[in-house]
Amino acid sequence: QVQLQESGPGLVKPSETPSLTCTVSDNSISSAYYWGWIRQPPGKGLEWIGSIYYSGSTYYNPSLKSRVTISVDTSKNQFSLKVSSVTAADTAVYYCARAKGPGIPPDYWGQGTLVTVSS
Amino acid sequence: QSALTQPPSASGSPGQSVTISCTGTSSDVGGYNYVSWYQQYPGKAPKLIIYEVSKRPSGVPDRFSGSKSGNTASLTVSGLQAEDEADYYCSSYAGSNKGVFGGGTKLTVL
Repeated sequence: QVQLQESGPGLVKPSETPSLTCTVSDNSISSAYYWGWIRQPPGKGLEWIGSIYYSGSTYYNPSLKSRVTISVDTSKNQFSLKVSSVTAADTAVYYCARAKGPGIPPDYWGQGTLVTVSS
Repeated sequence: QSALTQPPSASGSPGQSVTISCTGTSSDVGGYNYVSWYQQYPGKAPKLIIYEVSKRPSGVPDRFSGSKSGNTASLTVSGLQAEDEADYYCSSYAGSNKGVFGGGTKLTVL
């Protein structure tokens, strides 16, 4: 079964633009699935950020669209998330996941990576 | 795009059944059969337990079942076991290539 693994900077300062990467285990990033990001602030619920198809088509949560960018590198079986101008409110565990379509609830998830925004 | 509404908490004794609701609108839960439920233990990633309203992935016990009526989806856990104590989240397709999650429900096994 597919495995997803996030990597990220851990601790970032306010106003920075951290980048997170998700590596897909089985070369399936170019298959008929969509690859997405979801985040969860400490002690709070889940928030859908957006997703991407291997062709590069992207889909974003309207509330975050102005600050997030998702990209894909099929040669590395990776997709990435950038969040610009972060504040403490962006502190969260960021999960990458696989879905059958943009916006469709995902089936497989990575283990998550915590991004803490603090000066 | 507002979050789906779930009760913050639910509880039941071992062996009992408990149902968790997930209320949305005709633009998400009521409009599509793409509702999923996830189980999340502290410090762990969510695990898919129900997809497309009522389907169970391989390996998920049949004690877990899902349904939908109008704009409200429901997750029922039958024959409660101690290991079912976790947070549960619903998620739905919300149209226009967007997704939405519920606020989560903490299930306590008494």
